[in-house]
Amino acid sequence: DAGVIQSPRHEVTEMGQEVTLRCKPISGHNSLFWYRQTMMRGLELLIYFNNNVPIDDSGMPEDRFSAKMPNASFSTLKIQPSEPRDSAVYFCASSSGAYYGYTFGSGTRLTVV
Amino acid sequence: DAKTTQPPSMDCAEGRAANLPCNHSTISGNEYVYWYRQIHSQGPQYIIHGLKNNETNEMASLIITEDRKSSTLILPHATLRDTAVYYCIVRVAFTGANSKLTFGKGITLSVRP
Repeated sequence: DAGVIQSPRHEVTEMGQEVTLRCKPISGHNSLFWYRQTMMRGLELLIYFNNNVPIDDSGMPEDRFSAKMPNASFSTLKIQPSEPRDSAVYFCASSSGAYYGYTFGSGTRLTVV
Repeated sequence: DAKTTQPPSMDCAEGRAANLPCNHSTISGNEYVYWYRQIHSQGPQYIIHGLKNNETNEMASLIITEDRKSSTLILPHATLRDTAVYYCIVRVAFTGANSKLTFGKGITLSVRP
């Protein structure tokens, strides 16, 4: 089991550019979560999916952020246009059910300059 | 609204037991207590969870008071690699809109040689 796989591990981009973060959940897990972590705000849940359907996107900061899960094995988080305040570590996690623990990926460190 | 209260930090000596406290005085009957930890620069890692009985696994033990208003995570023989931020989270464990995991500030455990 390779765990939750995120790519890229690091991303540096210029303000105004589009950024796409990718996540492959653990096979068989039916829930997927996107979190953002900064020193100021800690770990924040952005959006989560159950069975590929977005359930709660109330944590998405604004319309510049969007997330998709076209199938059970892939999800993307897109920021367009990116801004310096979007700089953070973005984590993806998956779970096989609400009773069970989440498995987190290693994160994508995004720097917007 | 914070559902759990943890001291900001604590330390312990390597090889000794680390007892991490958590208060959750407003916990509901159908809410579980979950513990995660985050080692520097890594994604959070699930440790253990419980409802009302004490639980033990290969990583730790969870002691929940009879009134369920507080709990203690015990690392029986702390090592330097246990230095991390530990999060205590209460959460309803069923699938649906309430299955999201909300992280607070956690407690920073420092294990000293």
